[in-house]
Amino acid sequence: EDQVTQSPEALRLQEGESSSLNCSYTVSGLRGLFWYRQDPGKGPEFLFTLYSAGEEKEKERLKATLTKKESFLHITAPKPEDSATYLCAVQAPGSSYKLIFGSGTRLLVRP
Amino acid sequence: GAVVSQHPSRVICKSGTSVKIECRSLDFQATTMFWYRQFPKQSLMLMATSNEGSKATYEQGVEKDKFLINHASLTLSTLTVTSAHPEDSSFYICSATGSNYEQYFGPGTRLTVT
Repeated sequence: EDQVTQSPEALRLQEGESSSLNCSYTVSGLRGLFWYRQDPGKGPEFLFTLYSAGEEKEKERLKATLTKKESFLHITAPKPEDSATYLCAVQAPGSSYKLIFGSGTRLLVRP
Repeated sequence: GAVVSQHPSRVICKSGTSVKIECRSLDFQATTMFWYRQFPKQSLMLMATSNEGSKATYEQGVEKDKFLINHASLTLSTLTVTSAHPEDSSFYICSATGSNYEQYFGPGTRLTVT
């Protein structure tokens, strides 16, 4: 069964304290792995798509990496405005292109 | 680019009435649109997948007759919650995929049934 597990469930950081969020997945053939940011009361905001092991993508203080079993979202020198829930999702083969989501990591960055 | 809108952003309705939520892809043609439901502090739960001009594919446990989905064009999908009840109160979010199959989400609709 296709499955996505995110850890930790919640993370508190001081401003400037770098850390990483983990997304472990089991899927019968990965089409793509997606990272989203979601603020309370809003829809998820697209961050990255990774397609193959070894791929890396960066955007401002965020960097996403991918292996055959997991993905990491590295946050370098976070700021309070980075506080949000970060969602990881995988897209399995098939014609529907639907996403399988993890439960998310709630990040709080304190000033 | 890749902007998805939803309307309304918030709706309150009485028990037994129906509510329609619109989802539009503003700057691209969406081959597929998805409807999700999200409960507080939980992740997104996929309700159904819809392709333009075809019947929607519902996930297991989602009532087709209660959550009517219409995907009339490549830029518009609608979700109608029929005979709404308080347990249908939730945050409903749509997403759309373009030619690259990346999913872009709308801002969500908060439905409250009194």
